[in-house]
Amino acid sequence: EADIYQTPRYLVIGTGKKITLECSQTMGHDKMYWYQQDPGMELHLIHYSYGVNSTEKGDLSSESTVSRIRTEHFPLTLESARPSHTSQYLCASSESGTWVGGTEAFFGQGTRLTVV
Amino acid sequence: SQKIEQNSEALNIQEGKTATLTCNYTNYSPAYLQWYRQDPGRGPVFLLLIRENEKEKRKERLKVTFDTTLKQSLFHITASQPADSATYLCALVVDKLIFGTGTRLQVFP
Repeated sequence: EADIYQTPRYLVIGTGKKITLECSQTMGHDKMYWYQQDPGMELHLIHYSYGVNSTEKGDLSSESTVSRIRTEHFPLTLESARPSHTSQYLCASSESGTWVGGTEAFFGQGTRLTVV
Repeated sequence: SQKIEQNSEALNIQEGKTATLTCNYTNYSPAYLQWYRQDPGRGPVFLLLIRENEKEKRKERLKVTFDTTLKQSLFHITASQPADSATYLCALVVDKLIFGTGTRLQVFP
């Protein structure tokens, strides 16, 4: 069982609200990722981090922001939620390094966000 | 543009047969390629990793090949079972972890 946790699992929120999706891992992994996935569709990388104070934008343009103040914590924030943000958000983490199995990614359960 | 493509059509096969899924990529030179399984409503789960200098990797009923010249990986499930029904994703390890479009596999009795 992966030690990576996302909260909340489900969130329904009104347009214009500010929300933060939480992601924490207890494996000491340097790399962390946020993906967005619509039902039956592919995973899109929206943010990633190599370690504390490191954040990068992914391949899919996103209005969200992230921070990495602690190794174990990688929250994602939407300043003003819109219906177009309705989706599933998946957080993942992996070790740095190039040894076999070292780059395996562990995923959280996901947060299903609905903006009404 | 940079792409990782998998069979867009769902793959339907009979129990006991071998399922073969394809992953093609362009404009990347990955050191590693990974395969994941994803069930509905859940996050992907890691299955296998193969390095650029490995041609083939096996784990139980799973086999992965990696051809860096063709920029292609094949993922095989032998003696498939209904429990293997899921979406299978390939992922490239570059400076970040990028996923393919996924192929939905349905194994029927």
